[in-house]
Amino acid sequence: GIQVEQSPPDLILQEGANSTLRCNFSDSVNNLQWFHQNPWGQLINLFYIPSGTKQNGRLSATTVATERYSLLYISSSQTTDSGVYFCAVVGEMDSSYKLIFGSGTRLLVRP
Amino acid sequence: EAGVAQSPRYKIIEKRQSVAFWCNPISGHATLYWYQQILGQGPKLLIQFQNNGVVDDSQLPKDRFSAERLKGVDSTLKIQPAKLEDSAVYLCASSLGPELTDTQYFGPGTRLTVL
Repeated sequence: GIQVEQSPPDLILQEGANSTLRCNFSDSVNNLQWFHQNPWGQLINLFYIPSGTKQNGRLSATTVATERYSLLYISSSQTTDSGVYFCAVVGEMDSSYKLIFGSGTRLLVRP
Repeated sequence: EAGVAQSPRYKIIEKRQSVAFWCNPISGHATLYWYQQILGQGPKLLIQFQNNGVVDDSQLPKDRFSAERLKGVDSTLKIQPAKLEDSAVYLCASSLGPELTDTQYFGPGTRLTVL
């Protein structure tokens, strides 16, 4: 089945710093999503970005499907950005298509 | 608009006991998902419903896990009997449409600890 790998696994930032999170996937996909899970466990969809670049406030994402990676940029980080960031792709596993998540990047933004 | 509701929020049981989780999706959402999230990992799909029919349960351990969505709205997930490795957060999500690219809205989860 498709493999989704994220890096770095952990990241600590000072408030105001910028960061880039990476997601690599092992097979061709025509979709990719980024999620944020806050420290209380709530998981929220940030972007659906099969290709190209999207921006939402201080967050932006770029997917290069032909090279099988996506990047999530966080600018001017705030303490509320802390949590775990997951990328997920629709891929085949156990003979059916489903949303497959990476293992996440754990971000801590210090004041 | 109310979000996805789940209960209980926390549950502690001993191995070999049974447990059930409840999920109420966003009103009007036809598709409902149950995910298992083990500590330090991303969510893993257990089962997907479209209305009250099962679309995908290929990763559901059917010898001990069962799920139903009888009236196409609420859903319950049951584990019987529980094992230590079932300790995880169980997330329910719903989406308006059936496509896997439709935005999924997640509930707060139920944290299960099996002792």
